[in-house]
Amino acid sequence: DIQMTQSPSVMSASVGDRVTITCRASQDINNYLGWFQQRPGKVPKRLIYAASTVQSGVPSRFSGSGYGTEFTLTISSLQPEDLATYYCLQHNSFPLTFGGGTRVEIK
Amino acid sequence: EVQLVESGGGLVQPGGSLRLSCAASGFTFSDHAMDWVRQAPGEGLEWVGRATHGIHGYTTEYATSVKGRFTISRDDSKNSLYLQMDSLKSEDTAVYYCTRVPSGPRGPIDSWGQGTLVTVSP
Repeated sequence: DIQMTQSPSVMSASVGDRVTITCRASQDINNYLGWFQQRPGKVPKRLIYAASTVQSGVPSRFSGSGYGTEFTLTISSLQPEDLATYYCLQHNSFPLTFGGGTRVEIK
Repeated sequence: EVQLVESGGGLVQPGGSLRLSCAASGFTFSDHAMDWVRQAPGEGLEWVGRATHGIHGYTTEYATSVKGRFTISRDDSKNSLYLQMDSLKSEDTAVYYCTRVPSGPRGPIDSWGQGTLVTVSP
């Protein structure tokens, strides 16, 4: 199975800060990576697919980059509503695997 | 509007069985692969498995942790997805989500149901 390692597992930032979350794959997954946001008590929501394509309706402060084994999710200017846990998901090969999640807290 | 509604969750004893259902609407069900994803209380997301799609039938894929115990099936005539869970263990306790995979090269899961809670306990 492909292991997806996210870092950090928890982070705290102020409103307006630039936030970067990293996801590393244990082997090459091309660009078969998605990012999901799960707000407290809510269902996950897709933010990014194909590593860098922003889902329709997602604010432009969210962006994704990377290829192969290293990927990043960036929030250019953190907003209060971005309080959530973020997960990456590889779908290059079965079984699909999620990263462990990054909880983003607002200072 | 895509709607995915899970049902069938509940309390079951270790070693027991449970069958979850997912009723889909708002899209052409037969055009999409469908996944089950679960989330243990206070934990992260775990992909459980997939039912692919196609005019000649479908195939299934499973996470290592459930292979041989869980069976995914689908009935396109009823716009429904199922998850048969056998030999349940305490570590299978989780909210189970029915999810849709977009057609074409548009990435992984794009829609989620609200989930149904499965509790495995004596």
